[in-house]
Amino acid sequence: SAVISQKPSRDICQRGTSLTIQCQVDSQVTMMFWYRQQPGQSLTLIATANQGSEATYESGFVIDKFPISRPNLTFSTLTVSNMSPEDSSIYLCSVQGAQGNTIYFGEGSWLTVV
Amino acid sequence: GNSVTQMEGPVTLSEEAFLTINCTYTATGYPSLFWYVQYPGEGLQLLLKATKADDKGSNKGFEATYRKETTSFHLEKGSVQVSDSAVYFCALNSGGSNYKLTFGKGTLLTVNP
Repeated sequence: SAVISQKPSRDICQRGTSLTIQCQVDSQVTMMFWYRQQPGQSLTLIATANQGSEATYESGFVIDKFPISRPNLTFSTLTVSNMSPEDSSIYLCSVQGAQGNTIYFGEGSWLTVV
Repeated sequence: GNSVTQMEGPVTLSEEAFLTINCTYTATGYPSLFWYVQYPGEGLQLLLKATKADDKGSNKGFEATYRKETTSFHLEKGSVQVSDSAVYFCALNSGGSNYKLTFGKGTLLTVNP
C-alpha cells in the first residue's frame, strides 16, 4: 500500500482563520480524496481531488469553504477556510491503491478551532 | 443510494472472548466491502476487504464473509486481545470506477484484561 503523509498532524486554530493541510504520497496515484470525521462520528467524503482540474465536491461541501489543489499525482492540499468551532474535525487524505478499489488513508490532521 | 448499518456500540469484552460486530448494507450494483480500524489517536487502517459474494477477507485473526443473500459483512475474531481496542468501521464502495466509500457509524470495542 502507498505511504501517505499529512501535515500538520494536529493544530489548534483561531476562529476566522484558514488552515491548509498537505498530503504527500510516496507513489503516483490516480485518485485522491479528502474525508472529514467530526468528533465521535463516521467519515464523510468532502471531495475528490482531480489532477489538473477542479476538485469534485460532495453535496454539502463547497469550494469556497474547502478549496483543494492537486498539482501532480503525488500531492494535494485541502484548505479549511474561515474556520468556526464546527470545523473541529479530523481531516483525512486517502488514495486509491494499486489494486484498484481499495482506498488507503493517511494518519489524519486533527484540527481544533477555538 | 448506498448505506451501511453497523451494530451500535460500545462493545466491551474480556480478553480472549469471541467478537462479532454486525454490518449490513444497501447498495446498487456489485459493491466491494471493507472493514477499517481506528486505534486511539490514529488514522484509519484497512483491516480486511472482500470484493465479491462469498469472498472471505481475513487479517490479524479477524474475518468477514461477503454474504450477498443477507447483504451482510459481519466482523469476527475468535479471541480478542487488549490491543484490539479500537473503533471499527464497515464500509463499501459501489465498485467499477466509483471509489467513493460509504461508512457505517463505527463501533467502539474495548477489551479488558
